[in-house]
Amino acid sequence: DGGITQSPKYLFRKEGQNVTLSCEQNLNHDAMYWYRQDPGQGLRLIYYSQIVNDFQKGDIAEGYSVSREKKESFPLTVTSAQKNPTAFYLCASRDRKGSPLHFGNGTRLTVT
Amino acid sequence: EDKVVQSPLSLVVHEGDTVTLNCSYEVTNFRSLLWYKQEKKAPTFLFMLTSSGIEKKSGRLSSILDKKELFSILNITATQTGDSAVYLCAVYMNRDDKIIFGKGTRLHILP
Repeated sequence: DGGITQSPKYLFRKEGQNVTLSCEQNLNHDAMYWYRQDPGQGLRLIYYSQIVNDFQKGDIAEGYSVSREKKESFPLTVTSAQKNPTAFYLCASRDRKGSPLHFGNGTRLTVT
Repeated sequence: EDKVVQSPLSLVVHEGDTVTLNCSYEVTNFRSLLWYKQEKKAPTFLFMLTSSGIEKKSGRLSSILDKKELFSILNITATQTGDSAVYLCAVYMNRDDKIIFGKGTRLHILP
């Protein structure tokens, strides 16, 4: 079955540690996106990538980093510079330009 | 600054009622507007609207776009408890391939 896999579902980290969230898709989609969701905030765009080896900052990129070395993978690193990292993180992908996004099931990150 | 505003943020109705959810936007280089339903985790796609005045319909759900007044509505008729969810509106921008979301409307249907 084609889809987007995010792992792990739940992640706990101590403050000051970097952590990497995984996102893999087998849909052969060109573009991939990372969003953050906080209660009452909707989805806010962190980074996105339209093609391999290229990515753009979204609206809240500070404290995050990404890479796109393979078409099917778009990992997100939450660095210690991110002030409030505790949130629900959603990864999405789309086929051709203009197509709707398909979402993974998300990773809930808790930093204490 | 590009923005998408949804209203109301929260809504509680009884089963069988009809609801209308609103989405207004101010963005540069509009391409399309999308509606999603989020129950637990992954938002699921409902509609994509690109042209004004053309209603999209799927069962009890329908949506329409007004590109002159920069808004869209999502209607749900004869609501059921399974319609309880967060409904998200998003705008796809042509220039840089960005897709930005509103804060969502949390809909709760009482049996």
